Amino acid sequence: GENVEQHPSTLSVQEGDSAVIKCTYSDSASNYFPWYKQELGKGPQLIIDIRSNVGEKKDQRIAVTLNKTAKHFSLHITETQPEDSAVYFCAASGEGGSTLGRLYFGRGTQLTVWP
Amino acid sequence: GAVVSQHPSRVICKSGTSVKIECRSLDFQATTMFWYRQFPKQSLMLMATSNEGSKATYEQGVEKDKFLINHASLTLSTLTVTSAHPEDSSFYICSANGLVLETQYFGPGTRLLVL
Repeated sequence: GENVEQHPSTLSVQEGDSAVIKCTYSDSASNYFPWYKQELGKGPQLIIDIRSNVGEKKDQRIAVTLNKTAKHFSLHITETQPEDSAVYFCAASGEGGSTLGRLYFGRGTQLTVWP
Repeated sequence: GAVVSQHPSRVICKSGTSVKIECRSLDFQATTMFWYRQFPKQSLMLMATSNEGSKATYEQGVEKDKFLINHASLTLSTLTVTSAHPEDSSFYICSANGLVLETQYFGPGTRLLVL
């Protein structure tokens, strides 16, 4: 099955700096890569996603890049704010999996933005 | 759009009792719903996948007789933890596929504490 690795496990940045979280995946059949933000005691919230026919996608301060050849994708947050502090999960999915739509998650990154 | 609700948000019960958690897609029809369990500071662990009108598919190691899943309609799935014990205490989260098959939207989670 799919294996998703996520780094770093913790990330501390100063407000206004950029934050980058990286993930790798193992199954070349995976074609959908969402990122979720989870605040303490809440469910994960989809913040951005990318499909394998696209190399980069941006939504205001958030961007995701995908390198299919290397099988890695990254989340970029610019001009970080204290409210960006949360746990971020990357995930991979694709029709190559045993369950259509099933997501395989990374272990998560605790992002802390200091004011 | 794409809102998923869970009820209750928090439950405390005595050991040996059964607890039912509801997951509803409020503004879309969910062809597939997923149930996850999450321990503190860990990633999401998929327990089972359910499709409306059919039996749920459980992940390896998840007891289907202990975690009963019923997907009664395209907007409702329930998870019943039968004869709950303290080790079942956890954060349970459901998700549902939206209009775009692979996009999963998560509920806010249910905190279960078994005394």
